[in-house]
Amino acid sequence: GAVVSQHPSWVICKSGTSVKIECRSLDFQATTMFWYRQFPKQSLMLMATSNEGSKATYEQGVEKDKFLINHASLTLSTLTVTSAHPEDSSFYICSARENIGHYGYTFGSGTRLTVV
Amino acid sequence: GENVEQHPSTLSVQEGDSAVIKCTYSDSASNYFPWYKQELGKRPQLIIDIRSNVGEKKDQRIAVTLNKTAKHFSLHITETQPEDSAVYFCAAMGSISNTGKLIFGQGTTLQVKP
Repeated sequence: GAVVSQHPSWVICKSGTSVKIECRSLDFQATTMFWYRQFPKQSLMLMATSNEGSKATYEQGVEKDKFLINHASLTLSTLTVTSAHPEDSSFYICSARENIGHYGYTFGSGTRLTVV
Repeated sequence: GENVEQHPSTLSVQEGDSAVIKCTYSDSASNYFPWYKQELGKRPQLIIDIRSNVGEKKDQRIAVTLNKTAKHFSLHITETQPEDSAVYFCAAMGSISNTGKLIFGQGTTLQVKP
């Protein structure tokens, strides 16, 4: 079945630095990927929709200059958390659909970000 | 914007009893409704899904019902087992001809007592 690889699985960074998270579709092409953030004991909150070759669409309240999304190829989307602060500490997870007409979503394994 | 409400937030049942989790959605264009089980620190795992052209779907001990008119759908787990204990999320997807983003409910922590 479809596989989405997400790296790193966990990262600790200092306040003020930037962190890049990668999400790769291994055996299918994903024109659209989705990025979610999940705080402890809370739901998955959609941050943005990443579109291959175009700008990402951000959800209301998500700072696009802080959470930079790049979807340069059909198999890779990246999320960069810029100037990270402790409040950005969270579980970030990506997902993708194989194509527009396919209903199944495949999730990455998630990245636990801790900002100290 | 799109919204999905999920209830209850916590649910405790005895082993062997049934569990029901309910969700309502706001976007009438939503046409795909998956349910996920999530272990702590792991990715969500799809347990069952239903599309808008179907009113009910069953897979062994798990069933989902959909009422499009009322815009709500429910997860039913029968003969619960301790290994069913987890956090469950419902979700709704808008028109698949669009980007089809998935919006999640708030989650239900299910505890099955042996």
